[in-house]
Amino acid sequence: QLQLQESGPGLVKPSETLSLTCTVSGGSISPSVYYWGWIRQSPGKGLEWIGSIYYSGSTSYNPSLKSRVTISVDASKNQFSLKLTSVTAADTAVYYCARTVIRALGYMDVWGKGTTVAVSS
Amino acid sequence: DIVVTQSPDSLALSLGERATINCKSSQSVLYSTTNRNYLAWYQQKPGQPPKELIYWASTRESGVPDRFSGSGSGTNFTLTISGLQAEDVAVYYCQQYYSSPLTFGGGTKVEIK
Repeated sequence: QLQLQESGPGLVKPSETLSLTCTVSGGSISPSVYYWGWIRQSPGKGLEWIGSIYYSGSTSYNPSLKSRVTISVDASKNQFSLKLTSVTAADTAVYYCARTVIRALGYMDVWGKGTTVAVSS
Repeated sequence: DIVVTQSPDSLALSLGERATINCKSSQSVLYSTTNRNYLAWYQQKPGQPPKELIYWASTRESGVPDRFSGSGSGTNFTLTISGLQAEDVAVYYCQQYYSSPLTFGGGTKVEIK
């Protein structure tokens, strides 16, 4: 059974970089018909799609975050990662990784449990 | 961006009643080439991630009880729970995957009266 697990610091200082990793188990990132994505959820903004990546490294980002976001993949470790630069309190949220079906712009059929990230000094 | 609007924000029903949740997109999510509506529905229980219930607006994911059904086309969609069960208490979201950025509705909270 496919499982996704987010990991990374739960607290990040303003203006610094948020870094999270999603480890996929019970299945392989590559080769695959699936894409792998990041979504966040905050009380103020609800569910917000951050972006997604294919095992080959091809990415698609939310334009509202594109200037600050990098999603990368390490197929050898069956992991993909998120980096969000210059964070502010508005980036405080629960961050989920998820498998994306159909294409980079698809629906998410398997989700990680989520990890809470707070931005505070 | 395609704005996705859900209604109502919340509803409280008795066990066994029918729950109807509406989702409206600011532009059509029906892709003419495939004749499919690029819309999904999710259920989120407290402390859990969203769980995908329905894709292509009306295709139920494997393992999802058949009391959950999706309908609609173009810009107007509905999630129906026929015969509300206690375990259906959750927040329900719709999501369009027609174009970037992917966007979600604000959610509808379903409670037992």
